[in-house]
Amino acid sequence: GAGVSQSPSNKVTEKGKDVELRCDPISGHTALYWYRQSLGQGLEFLIYFQGNSAPDKSGLPSDRFSAERTGGSVSTLTIQRTQQEDSAVYLCASSLERAQETQYFGPGTRLLVL
Amino acid sequence: GNSVTQMEGPVTLSEEAFLTINCTYTATGYPSLFWYVQYPGEGLQLLLKATKADDKGSNKGFEATYRKETTSFHLEKGSVQVSDSAVYFCALGRSGNQGGKLIFGQGTELSVKP
Repeated sequence: GAGVSQSPSNKVTEKGKDVELRCDPISGHTALYWYRQSLGQGLEFLIYFQGNSAPDKSGLPSDRFSAERTGGSVSTLTIQRTQQEDSAVYLCASSLERAQETQYFGPGTRLLVL
Repeated sequence: GNSVTQMEGPVTLSEEAFLTINCTYTATGYPSLFWYVQYPGEGLQLLLKATKADDKGSNKGFEATYRKETTSFHLEKGSVQVSDSAVYFCALGRSGNQGGKLIFGQGTELSVKP
């Protein structure tokens, strides 16, 4: 079946602009996660959705970052007033909402802020 | 808080050599443990996992045993191939009855030479 998909695959933006990153999870997966992969920080958790609610937003680095999920499916991560330190690969993962379930990752969106 | 410490890379081996990548963790309760692999130009994919103490995860000739007494989950392979060249991430999942974020180690880059 189809895996996790993300769009766009690459995004170049200017400092100060807003960007939206999209994630389509595997059908039937109720849990959805956003992570960020950067050279200096490795793989960092950002936010976790259980259905349409976000019980864990502890990894969002600032109030410029927000995310939503609608219909228990697609999620959008929005970064407002982008900064150069936001440059990274943003990864989305999904899983069944059960203990110890494997998270399946999408290919990521590579964001470059000039 | 929970954390993962992973052997630093890069690791360079000759084909058919024995591989060990060390991973230790700090956590409360009984978390799940994972190894993910990222091949060049590709997304993160699950290599193996273990969900309780003394479990052994295995896949593609790789093995790791969940050792609660030493809080370790070292990755091993008896004979590596060039195609195993990738970045390997050890990860800690949440214990309990719900899903939740993964905490990743910094990653270990493996390069296998013919």
